[in-house]
Amino acid sequence: EDQVTQSPEALRLQEGESSSLNCSYTVSGLRGLFWYRQDPGKGPEFLFTLYSAGEEKEKERLKATLTKKESFLHITAPKPEDSATYLCAVQKRTGYSTLTFGKGTMLLVSP
Amino acid sequence: EPEVTQTPSHQVTQMGQEVILRCVPISNHLYFYWYRQILGQKVEFLVSFYNNEISEKSEIFDDQFSVERPDGSNFTLKIRSTKLEDSAMYFCASSDGGNTIYFGEGSWLTVV
Repeated sequence: EDQVTQSPEALRLQEGESSSLNCSYTVSGLRGLFWYRQDPGKGPEFLFTLYSAGEEKEKERLKATLTKKESFLHITAPKPEDSATYLCAVQKRTGYSTLTFGKGTMLLVSP
Repeated sequence: EPEVTQTPSHQVTQMGQEVILRCVPISNHLYFYWYRQILGQKVEFLVSFYNNEISEKSEIFDDQFSVERPDGSNFTLKIRSTKLEDSAMYFCASSDGGNTIYFGEGSWLTVV
């Protein structure tokens, strides 16, 4: 069974304090690993898709990396507006692009 | 930027009533999905739809659920006889067949 485990469950940072979120996964044949941002009461907002170990993608203060067992979302010098829940999801090579999500990491950045 | 739109944003219904949640996927997308998120829990897959038929569904998507694409733009989720445990945020999503799946803002369903 596909599993996605995110840690920590919650993270509190000071503005400018860099850190990383972890996503460990078990899937039979990974097609892609997705990162989404979710604000309270809103839908997931697409950030990145990673396809193979060693791949990295960046967007503003965020950088996502992928290994064969886990992915990291690095947040450099975060700002309060980066506060949100960050969701990781895996997509299998077979099937119709179904995503299996983790529970997310709730990030709070204080000014 | 194109987006997935959902209506209603919030609906309160009596247990046993039928509910229809509506979605307008991104216009050139061909793959459509419904996911749900119970308060405080993870986002869960319900069903995928391609070429006017269900392509995949989860164990959650039982006989009380159905999906339809009644015209060229709308995609609907129907819950025939709602239960208390159906209370959740329901997300519609769409994809052009590439590997980016875009989600709508959600429809919050409360069953009382």
